[in-house]
Amino acid sequence: RKEVEQDPGPFNVPEGATVAFNCTYSNSASQSFFWYRQDCRKEPKLLMSVYSSGNEDGRFTAQLNRASQYISLLIRDSKLSDSATYLCVVNPGGYQKVTFGTGTKLQVIP
Amino acid sequence: GAVVSQHPSWVICKSGTSVKIECRSLDFQATTMFWYRQFPKQSLMLMATSNEGSKATYEQGVEKDKFLINHASLTLSTLTVTSAHPEDSSFYICSARWGRAGGLEQFFGPGTRLTVL
Repeated sequence: RKEVEQDPGPFNVPEGATVAFNCTYSNSASQSFFWYRQDCRKEPKLLMSVYSSGNEDGRFTAQLNRASQYISLLIRDSKLSDSATYLCVVNPGGYQKVTFGTGTKLQVIP
Repeated sequence: GAVVSQHPSWVICKSGTSVKIECRSLDFQATTMFWYRQFPKQSLMLMATSNEGSKATYEQGVEKDKFLINHASLTLSTLTVTSAHPEDSSFYICSARWGRAGGLEQFFGPGTRLTVL
């Protein structure tokens, strides 16, 4: 089983739709989780951290389910500008390196 | 968020030459910097982790003599691709993290696109 797994997509959704991505991780001791966004030929940019209690930032909601070892990202009212690849990142904690998922590609269509 | 710069943003070189890429944290001191490589339509692949003042830790399969990393200060790390070949053509991205505990975000530089002819 991969350390971090994501559905590669692509997810093609119309503007205004709600879309959700899941990401599973194998290390149950993982401490921190993040969602990054990467536009084509650009560097990844932090979208949001994922906290145990879940967190929301505008149209974006991230949740963590430790029992099932997955995190999710929900995007409401999709905009064309949301089209990108969304990377799930898991940090085991301490000095250990983070692990990136392969990303889920989202294409919002007019 | 924190700002990380990378220079140059793109470079084209002849096979056999060496290329140096700089990564700077502009508004914070980065105790740890990471170097990644990304081939088209693939995920980021960690090449090495460097801590200021110590030798870099390379991932399996990454040649340390080919990819020289120097983390000279808390704000600067350099990656030198020695004797570059066409198969080294890729998007190289650095990231920086501050603090010593896990759980802190990484901030990425804008990347350097290397093309070796």
